[in-house]
Amino acid sequence: DAEITQSPRHKITETGRQVTLACHQTWNHNNMFWYRQDLGHGLRLIHYSYGVQDTNKGEVSDGYSVSRSNTEDLPLTLESAASSQTSVYFCASSEYGAGWDNEQFFGPGTRLTVL
Amino acid sequence: AQRVTQPEKLLSVFKGAPVELKCNYSYSGSPELFWYVQYSRQRLQLLLRHISRESIKGFTADLNKGETSFHLKKPFAQEEDSAMYYCALSGVGGSEKLVFGKGTKLTVNP
Repeated sequence: DAEITQSPRHKITETGRQVTLACHQTWNHNNMFWYRQDLGHGLRLIHYSYGVQDTNKGEVSDGYSVSRSNTEDLPLTLESAASSQTSVYFCASSEYGAGWDNEQFFGPGTRLTVL
Repeated sequence: AQRVTQPEKLLSVFKGAPVELKCNYSYSGSPELFWYVQYSRQRLQLLLRHISRESIKGFTADLNKGETSFHLKKPFAQEEDSAMYYCALSGVGGSEKLVFGKGTKLTVNP
């Protein structure tokens, strides 16, 4: 069955380190998204991509970067981790041009702690 | 700017009672609106979309363009409805992004 996976599921790192969170989907969706989930803020969009070689900044992109070299993967990199980036990160994908049927499918999440 | 407001962070009801989770949006065009749900230790999933006018797990939501609202309702809440609920807006300017509200945590007490 097609699915979307994230790894690692839990990560503890130190301030200043570079961290990469993986997202892999097998639906062949063109659209992929990264969100962070924080109490009191809900889900906020970090970066998104509408296809290979396409990346766009979301609402809270500072300190994060993404690259899209194939359809299946959109890794999220924290260039220099900060304690403010402690959060739960969700990856999602959807079919491009789906219009009203714009359902996003979410991964299980990665809980990141920056000490 | 496009915005989704969920005024209640927490909502607690008793089993069998009606429940209404409020959602208001700001967008002058014709948005697409969704409700997503996250049960404990599970991933976020779509509950319903306004365009299909469907009822899922007893929940319904009607788009009121005059009041710019998309409230989620269920006449008789069940304990298994306890979860985090997010209202989301899409289609702004042709965009495929979702703009989420901050969420409402629903607790249904026995």
